[in-house]
Amino acid sequence: QSALTQSASVSGSPGQSITLSCTGTSSDIGNYDLVSWFQQRPGRAPNLIIYEVNKRPSGISHRFSGSKSGNTAALTVSGLQADDEADYYCSSFASGARVVFGGGTKLTVL
Amino acid sequence: EAQLLESGGGLVQPGGSLRLSCAASGFTFSAYALSWVRQAPGKGLEWVAAISSGNNRTHYADSVKGRCTISRDNSNSTLYLQMNSLRAEDTAVYFCAKDGYYFDSSFDLWGQGTVVTVSS
Repeated sequence: QSALTQSASVSGSPGQSITLSCTGTSSDIGNYDLVSWFQQRPGRAPNLIIYEVNKRPSGISHRFSGSKSGNTAALTVSGLQADDEADYYCSSFASGARVVFGGGTKLTVL
Repeated sequence: EAQLLESGGGLVQPGGSLRLSCAASGFTFSAYALSWVRQAPGKGLEWVAAISSGNNRTHYADSVKGRCTISRDNSNSTLYLQMNSLRAEDTAVYFCAKDGYYFDSSFDLWGQGTVVTVSS
């Protein structure tokens, strides 16, 4: 069982906006603004798309945005595209100097 | 172009040992914290260990504490993971990941992974 809780799957149609949630505790998400989101396509390494809750690395589309409220973080993908179909993982720095990941959400573009 | 390249994976019997390496290029290796993250077949990501820049402070997941040692050689831009007393549940793809200047989980560069299989 993963330390952070993510929905197993979510789907949307091209052009729609969807939001993925990631729920932790006061020992991780609730205590640190150090939430990251990663996109992983089959057979590939993960790719950072959001760090420090809502910052985008260079080269990442503005269609990806992050937020946090209490112990829950969220990733919103706007203007859904077929190329967005992938697994998405959240992570957070946690008490005791460790990192915890969510179990991942499979995003399907209909 | 910044790159990380893992090596050292393979098939090992339960109770055995392996040493993974991660060769870095294209960035100032010594300035950044680094981690190992693994992914069991068909499963999600699991953070394994981290080492800071500067003072080389190390941190471990409970699942590997006492069995694994992370280290770095800044002169050769290489990260290592020594794994001992391996178990079937250690079977996974092992990725090395570059963090920010501090250990904070903003892993912005990943290697392609090396496969570790623990089986008799």
